[in-house]
Amino acid sequence: QQQVRQSPQSLTVWEGETAILNCSYEDSTFNYFPWYQQFPGEGPALLISIRSVSDKKEDGRFTIFFNKREKKLSLHITDSQPGDSATYFCAASEGNYKPTFGKGTSLVVHP
Amino acid sequence: AQTIHQWPVAEIKAVGSPLSLGCTIKGKSSPNLYWYWQATGGTLQQLFYSITVGQVESVVQLNLSASRPKDDQFILSTEKLLLSHSGFYLCAWSRDSDYTFGSGTRLLVI
Repeated sequence: QQQVRQSPQSLTVWEGETAILNCSYEDSTFNYFPWYQQFPGEGPALLISIRSVSDKKEDGRFTIFFNKREKKLSLHITDSQPGDSATYFCAASEGNYKPTFGKGTSLVVHP
Repeated sequence: AQTIHQWPVAEIKAVGSPLSLGCTIKGKSSPNLYWYWQATGGTLQQLFYSITVGQVESVVQLNLSASRPKDDQFILSTEKLLLSHSGFYLCAWSRDSDYTFGSGTRLLVI
């Protein structure tokens, strides 16, 4: 049972464009949603996170939009840079305990 | 500052041979520890988690075992490797915070 779904599986954008990565979940008890960024050959690293009491979280060029009613969230990367090319994992948990990860979105930013 | 160290960085092992991967966390007491497996370009599959020394919970059965001999150490092992064990093994810790992953161990079973 896949509780966290991500789309698209892969995404290609041009430098300067906004990349939009989508995530949805099923378990209504989930209240914490971190996004992790993983470069090839490295472990994932926390990029940005949001709690269900908020509908938006911004950190520089990265913004999470959260819709609790629809159980959906999205990560927007504005002014995309080639260095943003990586795999992005959406995760969901009740608190910080044992998050459930999505299958990831592979992002490629062309210069 | 907390640090997480995984060893070895990479391994090439023969089918049927034993395996031991290690993970050490420094600068954090009583962390929750996790082992994840990731196929090339694939999703993160949680294998084991441990809340305290000597206690390990299995999440999936992959002919692997884990142990936590010390508060800051987490070991993943098997006596007989399978081809399907190839992949990227990640250790992670959390304690009242987000997950912090190690740099991983790349395993190729031939």
